[in-house]
Amino acid sequence: SQKIEQNSEALNIQEGKTATLTCNYTNYSPAYLQWYRQDPGRGPVFLLLIRENEKEKRKERLKVTFDTTLKQSLFHITASQPADSATYLCALGNTGKLIFGQGTTLQVKP
Amino acid sequence: DAGVTQSPTHLIKTRGQQVTLRCSPKSGHDTVSWYQQALGQGPQFIFQYYEEEERQRGNFPDRFSGHQFPNYSSELNVNALLLGDSALYLCASSATGTGTQETQYFGPGTRLLVL
Repeated sequence: SQKIEQNSEALNIQEGKTATLTCNYTNYSPAYLQWYRQDPGRGPVFLLLIRENEKEKRKERLKVTFDTTLKQSLFHITASQPADSATYLCALGNTGKLIFGQGTTLQVKP
Repeated sequence: DAGVTQSPTHLIKTRGQQVTLRCSPKSGHDTVSWYQQALGQGPQFIFQYYEEEERQRGNFPDRFSGHQFPNYSSELNVNALLLGDSALYLCASSATGTGTQETQYFGPGTRLLVL
């Protein structure tokens, strides 16, 4: 069955450093991959979408890579800030529905 | 421009009861998807509605049913509630046929507690 794995442990980094989050998947061929941010008790907020024929996407301090051979996506936040502290969700899509990973909690310390 | 709205925000029910959750999509969106998110987990797809019909369904029992209205708003109904149905229920909307249908915008969710 389809499986998506994100960093199981919380990620703690110092302000100003680059945070790198990992999303690995098996038994699936997504047409696109998305990253969402979720704060406690709130709905996920869309950040970036990358399609299967794209290698890299950037938006301000965010960068996403997508390797369909390795079945892996990396999500980078450069010059991280305490306000970036949240849970980040990876989601794969093909026919409209999204399949989510369990999320990685990022804590940026001042 | 109002985003996705959901009601109620919180709900407490007892086992065996039935519940109805409501969702209004973002302006200009015609497709509504529902997800269940247990504590510490990622959202799980329940089903998706487009043109008032269920277009896709995830691995959820028939106790979970839905409806979409002509104004694109949607309801999620859960019958015979179980303790395990306690979760955050998320509604997401998107615009089919616009080239951006993959992006789903989520509402704040309804927190359901079953006692």
